[in-house]
Amino acid sequence: GAVVSQHPSRVICKSGTSVKIECRSLDFQATTMFWYRQFPKQSLMLMATSNEGSKATYEQGVEKDKFLINHASLTLSTLTVTSAHPEDSSFYICSARPGTGGSEKLFFGSGTQLSVL
Amino acid sequence: DAKTTQPNSMESNEEEPVHLPCNHSTISGTDYIHWYRQLPSQGPEYVIHGLTSNVNNRMASLAIAEDRKSSTLILHRATLRDAAVYYCILGSGGSNYKLTFGKGTLLTVNP
Repeated sequence: GAVVSQHPSRVICKSGTSVKIECRSLDFQATTMFWYRQFPKQSLMLMATSNEGSKATYEQGVEKDKFLINHASLTLSTLTVTSAHPEDSSFYICSARPGTGGSEKLFFGSGTQLSVL
Repeated sequence: DAKTTQPNSMESNEEEPVHLPCNHSTISGTDYIHWYRQLPSQGPEYVIHGLTSNVNNRMASLAIAEDRKSSTLILHRATLRDAAVYYCILGSGGSNYKLTFGKGTLLTVNP
């Protein structure tokens, strides 16, 4: 089946630093990728939709200057948490949608646990 | 986004069938019904999806009401590995495609 690789799986950083998370579709081309965040015991919250070669579309309340998304190729999207603070500590999950124009299922990465000290 | 309503939690015994309900009374004609599940500290996993007709795959069955205002995910024989949070989500195709997760149902499977 289709695989989405997310890296790193866990990162600990100091407050004020930036962290980059990579999301790769390994065996398919993903025209659209999605970034979610999840706090403990809560559901996934959609942060942004990323289309290859264009600017990401952010959900209401998500700061685009803080969460930089780049979707430079059909197999790679990155999320950079800039100037991270303890409140940014969360589980970040990417997903990829193969193809267009249908009801295609999403394939999810295994998530990145970010801890900001 | 059209919303779904699911019970917060359900419990089942191993090797017994499980019926997970989902209400989506405001579903639109183009909305597909998707089910995903999530194990602790992992990304969600696709389970099944459908539009109007019932669907079967190796993991589960999806029964969709005739008026499409509700659906039921059926696990035919629950195993301990099926213990997870199950999400019922509505999504339509096209360029504005996205899946917005609700709270889901935490399924506990007893040995």
